[in-house]
Amino acid sequence: DTEVTQTPKHLVMGMTNKKSLKCEQHMGHRAMYWYKQKAKKPPELMFVYSYEKLSINESVPSRFSPECPNSSLLNLHLHALQPEDSALYLCASSQVDSSYNEQFFGPGTRLTVL
Amino acid sequence: AQSVTQLDSQVPVFEEAPVELRCNYSSSVSVYLFWYVQYPNQGLQLLLKYLSGSTLVKGINGFEAEFNKSQTSFHLRKPSVHISDTAEYFCAVSDTGQGFSFIFGKGTRLLVKP
Repeated sequence: DTEVTQTPKHLVMGMTNKKSLKCEQHMGHRAMYWYKQKAKKPPELMFVYSYEKLSINESVPSRFSPECPNSSLLNLHLHALQPEDSALYLCASSQVDSSYNEQFFGPGTRLTVL
Repeated sequence: AQSVTQLDSQVPVFEEAPVELRCNYSSSVSVYLFWYVQYPNQGLQLLLKYLSGSTLVKGINGFEAEFNKSQTSFHLRKPSVHISDTAEYFCAVSDTGQGFSFIFGKGTRLLVKP
């Protein structure tokens, strides 16, 4: 299984809502990533988990809260978002002990904040 | 520090014509290079990668790329494009021994016209 799955596919939320994005992989990868992608732009790294511990936080606002409950799952909890947070949120995974860090991407969650 | 430059933001081409999408990188150490494709409203799919060995790399969907160390380039080519190749193409670089560092170029939109 070389697939990264993400749910939901689309999400519309108000600025006072709390929601979560979910990502799952069964490739045995121990590094998992959240990216944010605005239209016509490359993905921007938000968070990296390595062995279920947060390794990188790219100065992301606290209204985004990541969680890695086990080696296959990655969540992104959303609270009090702003309209400018509307974007495609991509999850990726890779091996940790690989020197070349090939990343496998999920299909993304299209988030709209009203 | 690493960087990736995709020289063209958009490349229009007629169906069945050849195409080249340009990518240049800068890095002080050895690198691994990747091309990803993103179809509308989808995640990123790996087209091909250069890790070591032969400088001509063949990927999926008839694409190939050539690693040129002296020119620090990794241009993507296809001898005959199809309408279905219309998508956004991202070049990316991963530095050796830099953990999770993975830098994307700004992307090139390939627009195949009938």
